[in-house]
Amino acid sequence: EDQVTQSPEALRLQEGESSSLNCSYTVSGLRGLFWYRQDPGKGPEFLFTLYSAGEEKEKERLKATLTKKESFLHITAPKPEDSATYLCAVQKRGGSQGNLIFGKGTKLSVKP
Amino acid sequence: GAVVSQHPSWVICKSGTSVKIECRSLDFQATTMFWYRQFPKQSLMLMATSNEGSKATYEQGVEKDKFLINHASLTLSTLTVTSAHPEDSSFYICSAGAVAGGRDTQYFGPGTRLTVL
Repeated sequence: EDQVTQSPEALRLQEGESSSLNCSYTVSGLRGLFWYRQDPGKGPEFLFTLYSAGEEKEKERLKATLTKKESFLHITAPKPEDSATYLCAVQKRGGSQGNLIFGKGTKLSVKP
Repeated sequence: GAVVSQHPSWVICKSGTSVKIECRSLDFQATTMFWYRQFPKQSLMLMATSNEGSKATYEQGVEKDKFLINHASLTLSTLTVTSAHPEDSSFYICSAGAVAGGRDTQYFGPGTRLTVL
C-alpha cells in the first residue's frame, strides 16, 4: 500500500537550533517528492520538488534531500517565522498529476 | 508567479443549503485543477480532479452528485457542496497544475473553511 509517514508529528526548537524533519515513503515507483509549508488556516505553500535519489535543493534556511526510501528537510538556524506545519507528498510514476499522497505533516514551533 | 486564489475564504451555512467555492489561477492557465479536503490534524485528501472542458474525475468514496465540480475556463474551477450537512464541515483547498523548471508542480490556493450548522 502506498504510504507517506512524517516524523516527528511535532517539533519544538529554540531559535538557532538546527534540526531535521523526516518523510518516509512507500510507493510503487516515485515520480516526485514534494515539500510544502502550511500555516494555520492557509493552503500549502510550495517549497521543493525532488525527483531522484541523491538530489538536494536549498532555499534560505531549508535544505531538502532525497534517498530511495525517505526525504529529509533540514532546517539550519531556524527563526520563529519558520514555525509552521511542513507537509511531504509523493507523486507516483504513471499516476495523474493530481495523485499526490500526503503525509500528516510535522508541526514545527521555533521559540525565540 | 503561480498564484491560486479561492473565494470565499470562509463560509457558514445552514444544513441542507448549497455552497459554491471558486478556485482561480491568477497568473497562469491551468488545464487541470484539483480539489482537496483537510480535516483537523489530518492529511490533505484528494477529492477530485477537474479538467477544463470535461467531466471531473472523482476519487473513491467521494459522491459526485454531492460535490459538483465545474471547470468552465482555463483559470476557473468551482466546487459546489450540495445539501451540505455538518459532516461536510472541513477545510477545502484547491490546487492548479503548472510547469516549473520543466516539471509539473501543484500550487495551492489559500483554502476555504466551510462550517455547516
